[in-house]
Amino acid sequence: AQKITQTQPGMFVQEKEAVTLDCTYDTSDPSYGLFWYKQPSSGEMIFLIYQGSYDQQNATEGRYSLNFQKARKSANLVISASQLGDSAMYFCAMRDVIRVAGNQFYFGTGTSLTVIP
Amino acid sequence: DAGITQSPRHKVTETGTPVTLRCHQTENHRYMYWYRQDPGHGLRLIHYSYGVKDTDKGEVSDGYSVSRSKTEDFLLTLESATSSQTSVYFCAIRETSGRDTQYFGPGTRLTVL
Repeated sequence: AQKITQTQPGMFVQEKEAVTLDCTYDTSDPSYGLFWYKQPSSGEMIFLIYQGSYDQQNATEGRYSLNFQKARKSANLVISASQLGDSAMYFCAMRDVIRVAGNQFYFGTGTSLTVIP
Repeated sequence: DAGITQSPRHKVTETGTPVTLRCHQTENHRYMYWYRQDPGHGLRLIHYSYGVKDTDKGEVSDGYSVSRSKTEDFLLTLESATSSQTSVYFCAIRETSGRDTQYFGPGTRLTVL
């Protein structure tokens, strides 16, 4: 079973509008972490935001916020006031303590975001 | 900036040749990882290390070996490169304090002809 699911292969958003990138996760571990990474066309993986499973409030980092709905097992990324530089691939990831093939970090397949001027 | 470098950044090689990729970190992190990134697959773990000389397999380890003789260096070797190993390879470290998250190196683009 997929640990992290990103169902939107591609998204478009108008510049200055907000956009939500979807992510659902699967774990039976009560303690876990959720992450979002950005990968621009230059190729590097940039850490954006973190949410702990016990955090009471949704995480925010500047224009990025994580809409954490624990019961639904969703961790959507919200980007407010989109900019042209936000055009990139976005990956959702999770860390838990349940090891599959020695791994504790799981990544989704990514969502390609294009910001339209 | 987690102080991670990868070398080489780009490499073109021929089928059947051995290839070694190097990951170097400057901040004494215990955990290091090698991933490959392919379209439609996201990031897949190849091998990881939890200390000097301590390594373990990930989900796509066939055809790859690793070594870690020093804390700062984690080497990935393709014993006999195949075209299916054409990919972008990322090294990552795990920062276990605070958020306990991974930070990535710049990546190595490997083409096997």
